[in-house]
Amino acid sequence: QVQLVQSGAEVEKPGASVKVSCMASGYTFTNYGIHWVRQAPGQRLEWMGWINAGNGKTKYSQKFQGRVTITRDTSATAAYMEVSSLRSEDTAVYYCARGVYNFYCMDVWGKGTTVTVSS
Amino acid sequence: EIVLTQSPGTLSLSPGERVTLSCRASESVISTYLAWYQQKPGQAPRLLIYGASTRAGGIPDRFSGGGSGTDFTLTISSLEPEDFAVYYCQHYGSSLLTFGGGSKVEMK
Repeated sequence: QVQLVQSGAEVEKPGASVKVSCMASGYTFTNYGIHWVRQAPGQRLEWMGWINAGNGKTKYSQKFQGRVTITRDTSATAAYMEVSSLRSEDTAVYYCARGVYNFYCMDVWGKGTTVTVSS
Repeated sequence: EIVLTQSPGTLSLSPGERVTLSCRASESVISTYLAWYQQKPGQAPRLLIYGASTRAGGIPDRFSGGGSGTDFTLTISSLEPEDFAVYYCQHYGSSLLTFGGGSKVEMK
């Protein structure tokens, strides 16, 4: 079955970086995109950016441009999202989700990775 | 950047009731790129509706989407106990995705 498996919870100090992985299975990885969405405690969903898994092109929300890097490894059928210069406001659950090109929605989601930023 | 405003923020309803949630865009959007998600506590969102009105795979037909231009709706014809959750609309435009603030449907 189609699934996205994310890496485990992380605890980081302010100023550090964190890299979250998202392993895809059950479909042709390069035929879809991978989006990254985060959700701070009690807050709305916030789209961060996405990668075309076929050609590796990326697009970021302006809010995260320059601080977030999304990559993929087609041989591993995995996508990665790195956030640098972490601050307490980055404490959130980070989700990866499969992107459907024609409709630009997300039809399969990972279970989420909790990132806690604390000194 | 297009802003999506959802209303109401919270509704308290009973099983069996009909509910209509609103998603209003700050400017006219392409219906093809309007989607709705359901999120339960501690879970990832689940795609319900895409293209404004097409149900995703496995979604019961009590869920329906509609609208065009700046005004879109998600209707649940008869609430089941498992439908109490937060619902988000989402739009794609100019290479960017945005989510609305969500509408919470809670049990009365």
